[in-house]
Amino acid sequence: EAGVTQSPTHLIKTRGQQATLRCSPISGHTSVYWYQQALGLGLQFLLWYDEGEERNRGNFPPRFSGRQFPNYSSELNVNALELEDSALYLCASSFPAGGETQYFGPGTRLLVL
Amino acid sequence: AQSVTQLDSQVPVFEEAPVELRCNYSSSVSVYLFWYVQYPNQGLQLLLKYLSGSTLVKGINGFEAEFNKSQTSFHLRKPSVHISDTAEYFCAVSRAAGNKLTFGGGTRVLVKP
Repeated sequence: EAGVTQSPTHLIKTRGQQATLRCSPISGHTSVYWYQQALGLGLQFLLWYDEGEERNRGNFPPRFSGRQFPNYSSELNVNALELEDSALYLCASSFPAGGETQYFGPGTRLLVL
Repeated sequence: AQSVTQLDSQVPVFEEAPVELRCNYSSSVSVYLFWYVQYPNQGLQLLLKYLSGSTLVKGINGFEAEFNKSQTSFHLRKPSVHISDTAEYFCAVSRAAGNKLTFGGGTRVLVKP
C-alpha cells in the first residue's frame, strides 16, 4: 500500500513569490494535516483538512492557506514568501476522519532566497 | 493547551548499549502519546503510540515506551542500539483523535561504533 506522497521534493523560490505544495494521502484516509519543520523552531502544526473543509489552523499568518480536493489530496499555498518560510513542510494523513494516528510523507523542502 | 518537553537534545551512545529518551508532557485533559523517528532527509516514521490500556507499549525496531500518568512522562527505551538507529526522535501528544499533534523539540541520537 502506498504511503503519503508529497511533491515536489524540493522547491526554490525568491522572496515575494508564491509556493504550492501538494500531498496525496494514504488510500482511504480522509484527513490531511500540514506541519512546518523550520530550523530552530521544531515541528509546528499548520493546517488540518477533512472532507474538503478546514478543521483547525495553527498560529500562522493568513498567507498560509490550502485546500482539500474531492479525492482527499491537498494543496498548501504560501503567498508573499519570506526568507523565514524556508523549511521542510510535512504532510500527514489519518483515517477515519480524525483518526488518532497520523502517517507522514517525506516532505517538501522549500528554500526561499 | 498541551506542551511536550524532551529533556535531552542530543544523546550519544555506543553500539549495543541501551538508550533512554526522556519525554514529559503537560495537559489538562487526557492525551494520546506518540514517538516518531526521523532519519536524515526523510519524513517522520511512527515508532509506537499509547492510546489507552497497558502502560508499557512496544513498537517497531525493538523500541518500547512506558506511560506514567502521575509523572506525566512517556520515556522511550531500547535495550541495545544499532548504528542504523542514528536519527532524530520526536515525542508528540494529541488531545483527542483528529486533533493536531504537539511535538517536543526532538532528541538526536548518535550511535557510535
